[in-house]
Amino acid sequence: GNSVTQMEGPVTLSEEAFLTINCTYTATGYPSLFWYVQYPGEGLQLLLKATKADDKGSNKGFEATYRKETTSFHLEKGSVQVSDSAVYFCALSLAGGTSYGKLTFGQGTILTVHP
Amino acid sequence: DAGVTQSPTHLIKTRGQHVTLRCSPISGHKSVSWYQQVLGQGPQFIFQYYEKEERGRGNFPDRFSARQFPNYSSELNVNALLLGDSALYLCASSWGQGNQPQHFGDGTRLSIL
Repeated sequence: GNSVTQMEGPVTLSEEAFLTINCTYTATGYPSLFWYVQYPGEGLQLLLKATKADDKGSNKGFEATYRKETTSFHLEKGSVQVSDSAVYFCALSLAGGTSYGKLTFGQGTILTVHP
Repeated sequence: DAGVTQSPTHLIKTRGQHVTLRCSPISGHKSVSWYQQVLGQGPQFIFQYYEKEERGRGNFPDRFSARQFPNYSSELNVNALLLGDSALYLCASSWGQGNQPQHFGDGTRLSIL
């Protein structure tokens, strides 16, 4: 079946540090890949996406590149801020079949950034 | 423009009762999906509706049901509530039923006593 695996958390960083959150996936077919962010007490917000191999998604200083050869979609940011503290979810969706449009999520990674 | 709105925001029920959760999609969006998020885990897919028809169903028991109305709003119904149904229920909308990004509401926090 389809699945997403994220790096174990929580991740604790100082402000302006470099961030990497690893994400790998297993899918039958060619998925679209997403990163969502969830702030306390809120729903999920789409952070960035990539729809095919070698695509790079970017938003608000965050980046992730769709690597088909390593089935990965790692999230990076060069300099984190306290306001980036949240839970980050990697997800995939597939076109076609019974999985059409369904998002499959990883378990989430808690990020805490200290001043 | 209004985002996805869900009601109520919080709900407390007892075992055996039933519950109805409501969702209004972003204007122009025709697809609504429901997810269950248990504390500390990623959301799990329950249903997807597009143009008022069920287009996808996750691995949830028949106690869970949903429907979509002509204005594309949606209801999720859960019967015979169990303690394990305590979770954040998220609704997401998208323009179509394919791989377009899904936009989430803030969810309904359901607690079962």
